[in-house]
Amino acid sequence: DQQVKQNSPSLSVQEGRISILNCDYTNSMFDYFLWYKKYPAEGPTFLISISSIKDKNEDGRFTVFLNKSAKHLSLHIVPSQPGDSAVYFCAAAYSNYQLIWGAGTKLIIKP
Amino acid sequence: DAGVIQSPRHEVTEMGQEVTLRCKPISGHNSLFWYRQTMMRGLELLIYFNNNVPIDDSGMPEDRFSAKMPNASFSTLKIQPSEPRDSAVYFCASRTGPAEKLFFGSGTQLSVL
Repeated sequence: DQQVKQNSPSLSVQEGRISILNCDYTNSMFDYFLWYKKYPAEGPTFLISISSIKDKNEDGRFTVFLNKSAKHLSLHIVPSQPGDSAVYFCAAAYSNYQLIWGAGTKLIIKP
Repeated sequence: DAGVIQSPRHEVTEMGQEVTLRCKPISGHNSLFWYRQTMMRGLELLIYFNNNVPIDDSGMPEDRFSAKMPNASFSTLKIQPSEPRDSAVYFCASRTGPAEKLFFGSGTQLSVL
């Protein structure tokens, strides 16, 4: 049973445009969500997070939106840059438990 | 800080051999995680330590897998005997506490022939 789903295995976006990566979850107990970015041959690195008491968190070009009623979160990257090409993982957690990970979305930024 | 350090970066071994993966977490981090990443199953949690104590090992595939954390600065993941289906990238990660971000090592690429 996948509690965190990233339904798009890959996404291709033109440089300079907006990239939108989506993540759906099923467990309403999740209270903390994170996005990680992973380059080939490297470990995932933290990108941005959001608590369930918020519906938006922004950090530079990266914004995460949380829609609790729809159990949906999204990561917006504006403007997209070639260095943003990577695999993006969505993760969710509740209480003190470990993170539950999505399968990842491969983002390709076209020059 | 050097970050989470894993060794070796690559390991190629033959079926039936023992494999030991090593991890040094970031100093001051009291939680350590071992993950396995495969194309089929994505990122799977194998085991989670808090203050050197295994808290959740439900992700360990079978008895061939074992993990230890003898002190706050070192952990090992051992596979004995190894099988071709164990081929994957194994990540170690650490953090200071719940709801804090995880810091990952660069991973160990394991190939079992």
